[in-house]
Amino acid sequence: KAGVTQTPRYLIKTRGQQVTLSCSPISGHRSVSWYQQTPGQGLQFLFEYFSETQRNKGNFPGRFSGRQFSNSRSEMNVSTLELGDSALYLCASSFGQGARNTEAFFGQGTRLTVV
Amino acid sequence: GQNIDQPTEMTATEGAIVQINCTYQTSGFNGLFWYQQHAGEAPTFLSYNVLDGLEEKGRFSSFLSRSKGYSYLLLKELQMKDSASYLCAVRDRRPMTTDSWGKFQFGAGTQVVVTP
Repeated sequence: KAGVTQTPRYLIKTRGQQVTLSCSPISGHRSVSWYQQTPGQGLQFLFEYFSETQRNKGNFPGRFSGRQFSNSRSEMNVSTLELGDSALYLCASSFGQGARNTEAFFGQGTRLTVV
Repeated sequence: GQNIDQPTEMTATEGAIVQINCTYQTSGFNGLFWYQQHAGEAPTFLSYNVLDGLEEKGRFSSFLSRSKGYSYLLLKELQMKDSASYLCAVRDRRPMTTDSWGKFQFGAGTQVVVTP
């Protein structure tokens, strides 16, 4: 069965631009969560979606937003990019309900570089 | 808020045992997770604890004490391929709810170096 797919794998953007990243979860998984990973801050939680609804959100500014579609695929958007947004963005999927809301499977990430 | 502490680095010899400790402070608790991350790769799930006690899975075991805000990951019979970063993560509980939706917070990771 296919794993979590993130596109694109690599991206270079200029300050002030906006970017949209995509995540396709494992078939049957309805929960998608997003994370930012940098050498200085480690892995930080951005937000989590289940059944097209945002269930919770980390401590990131409003420039970071996301959505989930009816097929569970998710996108995250970062507007007005800043140099500090350069990071590896990871998405993880899980079943997302009750006792099955435990093990999350990560995609390979999108490496975003802001210049 | 939450705070998760784990050692920065640990070194051990092939075949030995290493214990990685993790302490946390959280507003509500919905489980503690351990992930393994090799350099340049995505994290992979190792274990999940929500009740006190020891969970064993092959060479890896994870322990939780909720009253002490403490967990450890035990790696036995170390192999060279176990050299990686090990991340402790806690999921909190949303205020005024009993559901399982809470925010995740990750520790900075413990780099385990296995030497021949």
